[in-house]
Amino acid sequence: EAGVVQSPRYKIIEKKQPVAFWCNPISGHNTLYWYLQNLGQGPELLIRYENEEAVDDSQLPKDRFSAERLKGVDSTLKIQPAELGDSAVYLCASSPNSGGSEQFFGPGTRLTVL
Amino acid sequence: SQQGEEDPQALSIQEGENATMNCSYKTSINNLQWYRQNSGRGLVHLILIRSNEREKHSGRLRVTLDTSKKSSSLLITASRAADTASYFCASHSGNTPLVFGKGTRLSVIA
Repeated sequence: EAGVVQSPRYKIIEKKQPVAFWCNPISGHNTLYWYLQNLGQGPELLIRYENEEAVDDSQLPKDRFSAERLKGVDSTLKIQPAELGDSAVYLCASSPNSGGSEQFFGPGTRLTVL
Repeated sequence: SQQGEEDPQALSIQEGENATMNCSYKTSINNLQWYRQNSGRGLVHLILIRSNEREKHSGRLRVTLDTSKKSSSLLITASRAADTASYFCASHSGNTPLVFGKGTRLSVIA
């Protein structure tokens, strides 16, 4: 069974440019998460989806970040415009449900903003 | 915000020794989970312990939970070089999503 797929694995952009990350969760997993992980820190939740509905996006900086999961399967996270402080690893995870069950993580996208 | 706090921040041991990592959290939990992250990779789930459980084993892993002290520990016995990674605890409370700690960086020297 394929795991959580993320692309790209690495991205380097100039500040003020837009960037997008893609995630395909494990088949059948209704819940999808986007996390931000800074160096030496644990993951911090940006947004959680139940199927196509965003049910927890309180930590998403909505002035520049947006996300979508149109058909309740794969998801895209976008930053526009990117700032220097956005340099981090963006992790996607999925789980069968949101009831505190284990989460399955993708390899992440390492973003560098110059 | 991060609820869990792991201790120590970094740990270096010789292969074959045991490694113990501790985690403290702030509020009542439904369960607590431990994850491993190898350098440049995503997190991998290791073990989940529910609030009504006190100890759980999985292979060379042993997790304990003390809800009165709001703390958990992860013991890795007979460590191997391949155990070198960062280890995170994550707490689940109510209907809120998992909250991860800052992690313990374990180095196992061959």
